[in-house]
Order: sequence, then C-alpha cells, then structure tokens
Amino acid sequence: GENVEQHPSTLSVQEGDSAVIKCTYSDSASNYFPWYKQELGKGPQLIIDIRSNVGEKKDQRIAVTLNKTAKHFSLHITETQPEDSAVYFCAARKSSGSARQLTFGSGTQLTVLP
Amino acid sequence: DSGVTQTPKHLITATGQRVTLRCSPRSGDLSVYWYQQSLDQGLQFLIQYYNGEERAKGNILERFSAQQFPDLHSELNLSSLELGDSALYFCASSVEVAGATDTQYFGPGTRLTVL
Repeated sequence: GENVEQHPSTLSVQEGDSAVIKCTYSDSASNYFPWYKQELGKGPQLIIDIRSNVGEKKDQRIAVTLNKTAKHFSLHITETQPEDSAVYFCAARKSSGSARQLTFGSGTQLTVLP
Repeated sequence: DSGVTQTPKHLITATGQRVTLRCSPRSGDLSVYWYQQSLDQGLQFLIQYYNGEERAKGNILERFSAQQFPDLHSELNLSSLELGDSALYFCASSVEVAGATDTQYFGPGTRLTVL
C-alpha cells in the first residue's frame, strides 16, 4: 500500500519568514495530493491540493510543488503569520478504482513566532 | 465549518464497553470515510462507505464496525473497548464523482477516552 513520509515533524519560524514542509510517497499510481491544516481541537481542513498533471499550484501565500519522478511534494508558506501556527498534514491518494482513502503523513507542527 | 457534523464531541467510557459515534456528511455527499487519530499512529484510515455500501477497509479492528444508513449518515461502532482505543475519531465526506479527485471534508471529530 501507499506510504507517505513527512518532514520535519516540528518547524519554528519567525513571523514573516517562509516555511517549507516536504513529503515523499511510495506508490507511483497516486495522483492526488492534498494538504490539510489542523488547529487544536478541530478537524483537518483542506488548504490546497495538487493533481499529478500539474507541477505547481499557488493560492495567495500558499503553494504546493510536485515532482512525480522523485515522488515528492512540498508545501510552501510565505510571509508566515501567527495564525498559520497549526499541525499540517500531507496526504496521497489514487483516484482510479473504488477505494479513495487518503494516506496521511505523520504531520508537522508549525509554530510562527511573533 | 466543513458541513460535516459528528456527535458526540467527547465520550468517556470504561474498558470493555461499547460506544457508537455518529457522522452526518455534507449535503449531497455520498461517500463517508472514518479515520482514527492517535498520538503515536497519526491519521489512519478505518473504513469507507459509499451510498450505503462498504467500499474499502483499512486498519479497522474486528471489534469495530460501521454502517451507512439510507439518509447517508454513518455510525461507527466500537466494542470491547481497550485503553489503546482512546483517540480522536474523524469522519470525512466527499461527493465521489467518477473519474474526479474530489475533496474530502472532515468533521470536528469525536474524542474517545477509555478509562
């Protein structure tokens, strides 16, 4: 089955700096890669996703890049703000077949220091 | 607010007991997923239902079962509870259009504590 590794497990940055979180996946058939943000006491919330026919996607301060050959994808947050502090999860999924469950990375605790 | 609702928010029970967690998907979503989040295991897929039928199983224990009802809400039943079953249980839903990579929206979760 799919295996997703995520690094780093914790990340502290100064407000205004950039943050980068990296994930690798094992199943070359995976073609959908969402990123979720989880705040304390809440469920994961989708912040951005990318499909395997696209190399990069941006949404304001957030961007995701995908390297299919190397089987890795990254989340980039620019101009970080204290409200960006949360746990971030990457995930991977195949969209063919009937099973579409997500396989998650282990999470990154991002702390933005004021 | 994702539109996915889960009840109860918190559940405290004793070992050996049985509990039922409930999930209502977003309006129009046919697919429901259950995930378990524990400190040492991260977010783990348990089971998926689509329009009332089981579609996929993950690392779900035999003591756990689920079902999806005609109104599309789903219940996760956990029996013979053990201390190690203490975790956050999330339900997610998606519309599940054939050939599309549709988004899974997560509910707020149920925190289960087994004493």
